[in-house]
Amino acid sequence: DIQMTQSPSTLSASVGDRVTITCRASQSISSWLAWYQQKPGKAPKLLIYKTFTLESGVPSRFSGSGSGTEFTLTISSLQPDDFATYYCQQYNTYSRTFGQGTKVEIK
Amino acid sequence: EVLLAESGGGLVQPGGSLRLSCAASGFTFSNFEMNWVRQAPGKGLEWLSYISRSGGTIYYADSVKGRFSISRDNAKNSLFLQMNSLGAEDTAVYYCARIGLVHTFDVWGQGTMVTVSS
Repeated sequence: DIQMTQSPSTLSASVGDRVTITCRASQSISSWLAWYQQKPGKAPKLLIYKTFTLESGVPSRFSGSGSGTEFTLTISSLQPDDFATYYCQQYNTYSRTFGQGTKVEIK
Repeated sequence: EVLLAESGGGLVQPGGSLRLSCAASGFTFSNFEMNWVRQAPGKGLEWLSYISRSGGTIYYADSVKGRFSISRDNAKNSLFLQMNSLGAEDTAVYYCARIGLVHTFDVWGQGTMVTVSS
């Protein structure tokens, strides 16, 4: 199975900060990478698919990049609504593995 | 409105069984592949199982292979997860999720909690 590793596990930031989360795959997944946002007690929400395409309704301050085995999620200017946990997920194979998550906390 | 709604969770003893359901509405259920994902308390997301549109292709994570069984009833717009030989490690919120036109999970249910404890 493909392993997905996110870093950091926790990130402390302030409103207005630029935030970057990294996701590495144990083997190439081409561009088949998605990012999800999850708030406490809620289901995950799709933010970005195929590495860089924003899901409808997702603010443009979110962006994704990368290919192969290394990917990033960037929030250009952190807003109060963005404090949450973020997960990457590969869908190159039927076993759609997730990263362990990155919690974005208020500094 | 496109919705998925899980049900069937609860408290079950170790070694017991439980059947989860996921009711779909607001879209043509038979046109979409479906999955189950779980999240143990305070932990991350774990993909469990996939089923194709017709139900003819099924995959499982190693952690549940041989114990869990996914199925669907397209006439009733429903997805199921039969869980047997449950252990404490299966305690989690269980989500059903749709694979949308973007080839990944674009719609999720609200989740149903399963607690395995004596």
